[in-house]
Order: sequence, then structure tokens, then C-alpha cells
Amino acid sequence: LAKTTQPISMDSYEGQEVNITCSHNNIATNDYITWYQQFPSQGPRFIIQGYKTKVTNEVASLFIPADRKSSTLSLPRVSLSDTAVYYCLVRNQGGKLIFGQGTELSVKP
Amino acid sequence: DAGVTQSPTHLIKTRGQQVTLRCSPKSGHDTVSWYQQALGQGPQFIFQYYEEEERQRGNFPDRFSGHQFPNYSSELNVNALLLGDSALYLCASSLWTGVSTNEKLFFGSGTQLSVL
Repeated sequence: LAKTTQPISMDSYEGQEVNITCSHNNIATNDYITWYQQFPSQGPRFIIQGYKTKVTNEVASLFIPADRKSSTLSLPRVSLSDTAVYYCLVRNQGGKLIFGQGTELSVKP
Repeated sequence: DAGVTQSPTHLIKTRGQQVTLRCSPKSGHDTVSWYQQALGQGPQFIFQYYEEEERQRGNFPDRFSGHQFPNYSSELNVNALLLGDSALYLCASSLWTGVSTNEKLFFGSGTQLSVL
């Protein structure tokens, strides 16, 4: 079964770049890697998705090495409102979506 | 453009009771997935519905059942409630494109279920 591993928590300061890495050793060959953000008492919100190399959108970048066994979400110049839990999501060989334990990011002033 | 809506937002039940949670998907979406999120944990996949049928199921007992209606809305039913069923229940919708590997889920705000 696919399993994702992320740091449980990270601290940062406003204006810094934050990189959160997720390990997914058993990712399915054709599966994409998707990252979600979740605030308390809300459902997760889609941030970014990628298959290989690098993907960038207006809020984040996603770096995926050639072996695809990990991925790194990069948040440029974080603000207090980026304080949230971040999940990486992959699909295991059985086709089921697996949420990781999530990384609780705390941004301080 | 309405997003995913869930009702009710909060619910209190007692052990042994039955509960029904409801979800309306985002406009244009045809697939609904349900997740259970215990406090401090990541969402756990319960099942997914497409074309009014259960397409995938996670490791949840038969007490958890669901339904999808022709208008794509969905219900989650839980029978014989246990204390451990207390959690945030999330509904997510998506559009089936024939390929599941790059599926993008849009989540509702969830129903907070407390079992006393």
C-alpha cells in the first residue's frame, strides 16, 4: 500500500520561503501528486498538482525528482494566513487516494 | 458558481442511533467522495460514488453506506453509531474525465458529528 510521510510540523516567519517534503515510495506509475491546504473547521483546498519535474502556479511550486519517490511543495514568501495543515495526496496501487498525516505549518510575525 | 455544500454543519447523536449526512457537489461535477477526519488526523477515504454506484471503498465497516442521486448529490448513512464515529465528515466532488490519476477534489466544509 502506498504511504506518504511528511514532517509533522514546521515553523516559519513571514516573508520566508517554506519547503515541505513528502515521501511516497510506492506511488503508482501513472499517478499524480496533489497537495492540499486545510484550515481549522474547513475542508482541504487544492493547491497544486504535478506528475514530474516542476510545476508552478500563482500560489506555489511543486518539485518532483525523476524517481518520483518524493515531492516538495514550495511556498514563496509566506504570510500569517498561510498557517494551516498541508497534505500531500497520492493514489496507491489499489487506486485509493491516500492522505498523509499532514504538516502543520505555523507562520510567525 | 456554488461549491460543495454539506448539511447539517453540526450534529449530535447517541450511541446506537443512525445518521444521514448530505452533500451537493460543485456545479458540473459528477463524482462524490466521502472522508472521515478524526481530530488531529488526516482525512480517511470512506467511499466514492459515480453514476449512482459505489465505485471505490476504503476500510470502513458495512455500517457506513451511501447513495448518489440522479442529480449527483449524495448521502452518507452510518448505522449503529459508536463513540469512535465522532469526527468531521467531509464530502468532496470531482469531474470524471476517464482518468482518475490526476483527479482534483473540491471539498465542502464538512459535518461535525458528535456521538455521545
